[in-house]
Amino acid sequence: DSGVTQTPKHLITATGQRVTLRCSPRSGDLSVYWYQQSLDQGLQFLIQYYNGEERAKGNILERFSAQQFPDLHSELNLSSLELGDSALYFCASSVFGPEEQFFGPGTRLTVL
Amino acid sequence: SQQGEEDPQALSIQEGENATMNCSYKTSINNLQWYRQNSGRGLVHLILIRSNEREKHSGRLRVTLDTSKKSSSLLITASRAADTASYFCAPYMNYGGSQGNLIFGKGTKLSVKP
Repeated sequence: DSGVTQTPKHLITATGQRVTLRCSPRSGDLSVYWYQQSLDQGLQFLIQYYNGEERAKGNILERFSAQQFPDLHSELNLSSLELGDSALYFCASSVFGPEEQFFGPGTRLTVL
Repeated sequence: SQQGEEDPQALSIQEGENATMNCSYKTSINNLQWYRQNSGRGLVHLILIRSNEREKHSGRLRVTLDTSKKSSSLLITASRAADTASYFCAPYMNYGGSQGNLIFGKGTKLSVKP
């Protein structure tokens, strides 16, 4: 158990819909990262937050957005969902920078 | 941020044998990390080796780093069926503060047969 929690574990929804994925980092970790993993694209970095502020952006679509709240939990919002958004979404946390990241169990999103 | 490239893409061995995976990268780094991912699960941090280190051990894991060749290797000794997983390397350069992120490659898929 990494200490990082993600909810929900599974999510099935339809195209065009909007979903919110939630992540609680390890106690004491200030940085949160979001990743998308699909069979064809591998593990893609989406975005990083540090103590409530966006710090790094990767291959995140404009339809996706994220935020980190004062209690340091983070949410990833995915809107106008497409079939290709079906993937595993991982959250990871670290104390400061990405020197050692602790990954959550992931949320499996299926868009039908 | 830069991506590491793992080699081979897939490796199949018998239990008890050693498994060696390689990683190459392109530019200077502060450190390089190795992660393991069991199918459908989150990545697990295995080991971090800093740019001024040449070798590091953790249990049955041995990691080497050659900054002149921009390469690293992960050796798993006396492998077990439970080592079956994908292994990723992540070279990291700290540009200051908490910026920068890890870019994961496609990994090496290790299969250990009992």
